Amino acid sequence: SQKIEQNSEALNIQEGKTATLTCNYTNYSPAYLQWYRQDPGRGPVFLLLIRENEKEKRKERLKVTFDTTLKQSLFHITASQPADSATYLCAPLNNAGNMLTFGGGTRLMVKP
Amino acid sequence: DGGITQSPKYLFRKEGQNVTLSCEQNLNHDAMYWYRQDPGQGLRLIYYSQIVNDFQKGDIAEGYSVSREKKESFPLTVTSAQKNPTAFYLCASSRSGTDPYEQYFGPGTRLTVT
Repeated sequence: SQKIEQNSEALNIQEGKTATLTCNYTNYSPAYLQWYRQDPGRGPVFLLLIRENEKEKRKERLKVTFDTTLKQSLFHITASQPADSATYLCAPLNNAGNMLTFGGGTRLMVKP
Repeated sequence: DGGITQSPKYLFRKEGQNVTLSCEQNLNHDAMYWYRQDPGQGLRLIYYSQIVNDFQKGDIAEGYSVSREKKESFPLTVTSAQKNPTAFYLCASSRSGTDPYEQYFGPGTRLTVT
């Protein structure tokens, strides 16, 4: 069955450092992958989309990579700030419309 | 303001009662979705609708029902048949089509059944 794995343990980093979050998937060949941010008690907010033919996508301090050979996406936040503290969800997407399957998310804590 | 709203934010029910969660959007989106989120877990798809008067079961539809009579509205009923209804329920909407459109989420409804 399809499986999406994100590190369930919280990632604690110091302000100013680069945070790197991992999303691995198995038994799955997504054409796209989306990343969302979720704050406690709130709905997720879309951050970035990357397509299978794109190796890397950037938006301000965010960078996403998509390695279809390794079946992995990495999500980087450079110059991290305490306001970046949240849970980040990856969501691979197949070609059949907009049915997202979400990973369990990784909680990021940026300490001042 | 354009957006997606869910009400109420918190809902308490006794076991054996059906309860309906509201979801409204004014983004003119064709597609709408309902997800369930349990503590420390990701979102699981309950039902989705790509167009008015049509909807499809997601991964965990048992014990739930939906309707899509209007483009703006996609209410979810949690029936007494749902074994573990206590959870955080999220509604989302998106443009519809073959492109990977982003989903816009509402603020969620936290349902507690005792």
